[in-house]
Amino acid sequence: DQQVKQNSPSLSVQEGRISILNCDYTNSMFDYFLWYKKYPAEGPTFLISISSIKDKNEDGRFTVFLNKSAKHLSLHIVPSQPGDSAVYFCAASFMDSNYQLIWGAGTKLIIKP
Amino acid sequence: DGGITQSPKYLFRKEGQNVTLSCEQNLNHDAMYWYRQDPGQGLRLIYYSQIVNDFQKGDIAEGYSVSREKKESFPLTVTSAQKNPTAFYLCASSHPEQGSTEAFFGQGTRLTVV
Repeated sequence: DQQVKQNSPSLSVQEGRISILNCDYTNSMFDYFLWYKKYPAEGPTFLISISSIKDKNEDGRFTVFLNKSAKHLSLHIVPSQPGDSAVYFCAASFMDSNYQLIWGAGTKLIIKP
Repeated sequence: DGGITQSPKYLFRKEGQNVTLSCEQNLNHDAMYWYRQDPGQGLRLIYYSQIVNDFQKGDIAEGYSVSREKKESFPLTVTSAQKNPTAFYLCASSHPEQGSTEAFFGQGTRLTVV
């Protein structure tokens, strides 16, 4: 049973436009959500996170939105740049799990020049 | 510099051999994790350790073993019992007691069975 789902395996966006990556989850006990970015043959790097007490968190070009009622979060990248081309993983955790991360399958973002 | 180091970056194994992947961190993190990544799949948890001398099986522990004799080190052994060991292996650490669930990753080890 996949608790964290990223339904789009890939996404192609024009440079300068907005990239929107989506993530859905099934476990209502998740209280912390994170986005990681991963280049080929490298480890993922932390991008941005959001606590369940918030519905939005912004860091430069990156904004994460959380809709708890829909069990949905999204990552917005504005404006998209060529260096943003990577695989983006959504992850979720909750306190009772000692904050172990449950991962989505990832979405490959391709920024077209 | 603080960080998490995996070695080697590339590893080739003959069928029937055990191999050990190294993971070292100097972040003073209590928790360490091993993940496996396969094409088109998310990260799958193999083993994790919340504290020295203690570790727990993750979702896909069969064919793997670990040890946690030191806080800084969490080596993963891929045994001959692992049926499909060719994959990209990622080690991570975190410090849940600081209230942060952010995990820091190593650069990964690509294991290929030849």
